[in-house]
Amino acid sequence: KAGVTQTPRYLIKTRGQQVTLSCSPISGHRSVSWYQQTPGQGLQFLFEYFSETQRNKGNFPGRFSGRQFSNSRSEMNVSTLELGDSALYLCASSFGQAGNTIYFGEGSWLTVV
Amino acid sequence: GNSVTQMEGPVTLSEEAFLTINCTYTATGYPSLFWYVQYPGEGLQLLLKATKADDKGSNKGFEATYRKETTSFHLEKGSVQVSDSAVYFCALSDQRGEYGNKLVFGAGTILRVKS
Repeated sequence: KAGVTQTPRYLIKTRGQQVTLSCSPISGHRSVSWYQQTPGQGLQFLFEYFSETQRNKGNFPGRFSGRQFSNSRSEMNVSTLELGDSALYLCASSFGQAGNTIYFGEGSWLTVV
Repeated sequence: GNSVTQMEGPVTLSEEAFLTINCTYTATGYPSLFWYVQYPGEGLQLLLKATKADDKGSNKGFEATYRKETTSFHLEKGSVQVSDSAVYFCALSDQRGEYGNKLVFGAGTILRVKS
């Protein structure tokens, strides 16, 4: 059974640019969530999508957005990149019920220069 | 709001030593509790979970018991190996449906095992 797949794994962007990250969940999972991991702030929840609807949102500025497609695949977008956006972005999937186990992908390493 | 507090690291042990990483939580209701492990350069892997009080999660020699009375979920292993060197995260997931399915993480504890 394939796990959560994220692309690209590594990318470097310039301040002011935008970036799109992609995530394919485990087959059958309808919930996809995104987390940002930095040395200073640790693991922080960005948002969760379930059946193409944003169900929950963390405390991030509007530059961070996402969407989910009918096949449960998800993308997240960060516009007007700042140096502080450099982080590991982790996608996770689950069946979507409260308390279900959440499985993570390998992450996308974003460096903003 | 919900929160998770882990013991600060790094924790440095010799091979075959006993490991305890403390984790306490604050939550409304009865959350599910998890331990995740992150090896260098990788994402998070689920190590074990417990969904109700007195449940014991176990995997690969690691164990943790959900203690409602002390709001704790301490991770233990009887004999660590060099390959256990990683960052360990304690996390909770609110059981209530209106919060969807999200995790609240502790800060993580770095474990270094020396041979």
